[in-house]
Amino acid sequence: QKEVEQDPGPLSVPEGAIVSLNCTYSNSAFQYFMWYRQYSRKGPELLMYTYSSGNKEDGRFTAQVDKSSKYISLFIRDSQPSDSATYLCATPSGNTPLVFGKGTRLSVIA
Amino acid sequence: EADIYQTPRYLVIGTGKKITLECSQTMGHDKMYWYQQDPGMELHLIHYSYGVNSTEKGDLSSESTVSRIRTEHFPLTLESARPSHTSQYLCASSPSGDSPLHFGNGTRLTVT
Repeated sequence: QKEVEQDPGPLSVPEGAIVSLNCTYSNSAFQYFMWYRQYSRKGPELLMYTYSSGNKEDGRFTAQVDKSSKYISLFIRDSQPSDSATYLCATPSGNTPLVFGKGTRLSVIA
Repeated sequence: EADIYQTPRYLVIGTGKKITLECSQTMGHDKMYWYQQDPGMELHLIHYSYGVNSTEKGDLSSESTVSRIRTEHFPLTLESARPSHTSQYLCASSPSGDSPLHFGNGTRLTVT
């Protein structure tokens, strides 16, 4: 089992929809969780960084962590065509580099 | 604006050539990384460094080598390029601890 599992999609939604992107992780010792957004032909950029269980909100984006079920989510409200990108979840694994999910490709259709 | 710079942005080169992909960061980060990513596919860690004169191999077996002589510079070298090396190479850096990574915009390599 991979340390971080993420459904690669692709996911296609109409403009204005609420989008839910999800990852599961296997190691209960993981404490920090990140969401990155990657546009085509660009490097990933940090979108959200959370530590504890619960929700963290930033504009239209909400990151949610449920440590009891080892489940992390990213919600996008009022989705826009400019949100079309690949979204990657990631978590530090002790002293080793970040463990990334495979990424979910999202298309928001105008 | 990215504080981590990769050059060249695009490179097309023939089989057997030696190439070096450059990566520099101006943030004074101790940790630097190289990832390989095929289009639409996941990131694969190929090399990382936690400081000057420190380098480690990542999860993906790679025929490339790296060096870390200066904090800000982490070049990746392919001694003899092959078509199987065709991919996007992403460099990243982070401060110590569990901080997020900052990525460059990548070098897209094509080996003919």
